[in-house]
Amino acid sequence: DAGVIQSPRHEVTEMGQEVTLRCKPISGHNSLFWYRQTMMRGLELLIYFNNNVPIDDSGMPEDRFSAKMPNASFSTLKIQPSEPRDSAVYFCASRPPGHRNTEAFFGQGTRLTVV
Amino acid sequence: AQSVAQPEDQVNVAEGNPLTVKCTYSVSGNPYLFWYVQYPNRGLQFLLKYITGDNLVKGSYGFEAEFNKSQTSFHLKKPSALVSDSALYFCAVSPDRGSTLGRLYFGRGTQLTVWP
Repeated sequence: DAGVIQSPRHEVTEMGQEVTLRCKPISGHNSLFWYRQTMMRGLELLIYFNNNVPIDDSGMPEDRFSAKMPNASFSTLKIQPSEPRDSAVYFCASRPPGHRNTEAFFGQGTRLTVV
Repeated sequence: AQSVAQPEDQVNVAEGNPLTVKCTYSVSGNPYLFWYVQYPNRGLQFLLKYITGDNLVKGSYGFEAEFNKSQTSFHLKKPSALVSDSALYFCAVSPDRGSTLGRLYFGRGTQLTVWP
């Protein structure tokens, strides 16, 4: 398996533009997480899906952020409009069934820069 | 609230010396605990986990971690550090019950530097 695949790896956009980050989880995994990593705040859990259903989106910073998982093999994180403070590395991770004690597998991340 | 604390932002150790990276947690019920490592410009990689049983858990690359329930700690250790161990280390906790079941919460990370 190729692991968790995220695209793009790098994204530079202007303030106010819409940004869409993509994630393909590992086949057979039924939990998916979106995290944001910054120097100031560390690794923050943004949203957690289980069986394609959003279970917890309390970490989503504000209404500008939205996430979808239309099927078991694809998820998106959208920021609209983007702001400079959204600049961070965004990670997607997936986890196999038996989620209480199994480890999550991370993608390589998307480095977002909003100028 | 569920939380993970890594009290040291940085740990510096000489090659060949033992290393410890500290982690304490606060979680409802019994915790499932994990350590991950992140190399520059890479995603997080799983090192080891504690689920139940023996308090000393062995993982990848010679790392081990000791679960201490009374101190709510899960410190990462290695008897002899290598320069190649230099990386960012994250402790994580997954609650086994309650409204936060299934989530995975991370500490802020500890930068380990091993000098030759």
